[in-house]
Amino acid sequence: NAGVTQTPKFQVLKTGQSMTLQCAQDMNHEYMSWYRQDPGMGLRLIHYSVGAGITDQGEVPNGYNVSRSTTEDFPLRLLSAAPSQTSVYFCASSPRQTGPQHFGDGTRLSIL
Amino acid sequence: RKEVEQDPGPFNVPEGATVAFNCTYSNSASQSFFWYRQDCRKEPKLLMSVYSSGNEDGRFTAQLNRASQYISLLIRDSKLSDSATYLCVTAGGTSYGKLTFGQGTILTVHP
Repeated sequence: NAGVTQTPKFQVLKTGQSMTLQCAQDMNHEYMSWYRQDPGMGLRLIHYSVGAGITDQGEVPNGYNVSRSTTEDFPLRLLSAAPSQTSVYFCASSPRQTGPQHFGDGTRLSIL
Repeated sequence: RKEVEQDPGPFNVPEGATVAFNCTYSNSASQSFFWYRQDCRKEPKLLMSVYSSGNEDGRFTAQLNRASQYISLLIRDSKLSDSATYLCVTAGGTSYGKLTFGQGTILTVHP
């Protein structure tokens, strides 16, 4: 029962570096999304996808790119890391947009 | 005004107590409602969906009042393991049907 798998679990980057956070789900869910969670801010939507080949921006998309070449995978790319992107990142999937979402166990990212 | 508002707490209750959390939402077009539970430094996990007729799952009861745009969660016979942050979540009513999370209510159950 893998569910939603995120890698890596922890990462430290220097300002300006780029990296990709991986997310994969094995539930054949069409809807996938990326959130960031910061103290006192709650979960905020970065990008989402309603199916392979379709992505769109959420509430806080700046500095991040996504792609969805397969139903299973939804990677999040940081183009040029900034300290303001230090956060915990969660990937989630759901069979439909307004349905309950299943979360991965998160990636804790620090930008120095 | 936040789209989903919760009292952040913390709520500190003894084992066996009954505790209730409330949540209000501002978007009247919201379609789906949930309570999630999040343990410290872990991912959110679905606790239960919330229906207009009210629904119960063991010691947990959720209610939705669409007219007042108000959601509640009642926990009976609290256990130590209920200690967590409880997130009120709405879905739909936006151009992309996204889930909107409240900031959460912290519950600590003590012996």
